[in-house]
Amino acid sequence: QSVLTQPPSVSAAPGQKVTISCSGSSSNIGNNYVSWYQHLPGTAPKLLIYGNNKRPSGIPDRFSGSKSGTSATLGISGLQTGDEADYYCGTWDSSLSAGAFGGGTKLTVL
Amino acid sequence: QVQLVESGGGLVKPGGSLRLSCAASGFTFSDYHMSWIRQAPGKGLQWVSYITGSGSTIYYADSVKGRFTISRDNAKNSLYVQMNSLRAEDTAVYFCARRVDIVGENAFDIWGQGTMVTVSS
Repeated sequence: QSVLTQPPSVSAAPGQKVTISCSGSSSNIGNNYVSWYQHLPGTAPKLLIYGNNKRPSGIPDRFSGSKSGTSATLGISGLQTGDEADYYCGTWDSSLSAGAFGGGTKLTVL
Repeated sequence: QVQLVESGGGLVKPGGSLRLSCAASGFTFSDYHMSWIRQAPGKGLQWVSYITGSGSTIYYADSVKGRFTISRDNAKNSLYVQMNSLRAEDTAVYFCARRVDIVGENAFDIWGQGTMVTVSS
């Protein structure tokens, strides 16, 4: 049972935009930075967003992050078939004194 | 280049022990906080443990507290996790990951490829 809640799956057509939500509480998202990861099976997860909305170097601006209250959102615009992957949100939970990830969202580009 | 390489995974019986290692290269290892993160078959990412750059502060997920011990040897640029009293539910790919060097941030910018741990009789 993940501390953070994500939809199990989302889908959209190539070229379109999709958003993935991540819901938490005041002890995690509400008072800590949120990060987002892209994960393809058999590979190392890739950091897409940190600090709620910052992109590491090399991550295209098609990927965006936002946070409001106890929820965060990852946006991916100009969808490409290569974007098909599992996406995870992550943060710190101050009450648990532990890291936390969402359950993951599988993105399908139709 | 900046790299993390895990090793030590394998098949172990329930109740057994295993020690995983993570060799770091391409950056000043002691400057970075590190974590172990796992992914069970068909499941999502699960944070396991965290250690500061100096090793002075350590946190564990409740599911492994009392059974797993994280440590590091900065002279050897290595991160470890000693896993005791292993259970079937510990079966997973274990990743080591470098935490972003920003105060208050719990994001992981460098990940290893992972090492598989299978707990089965």
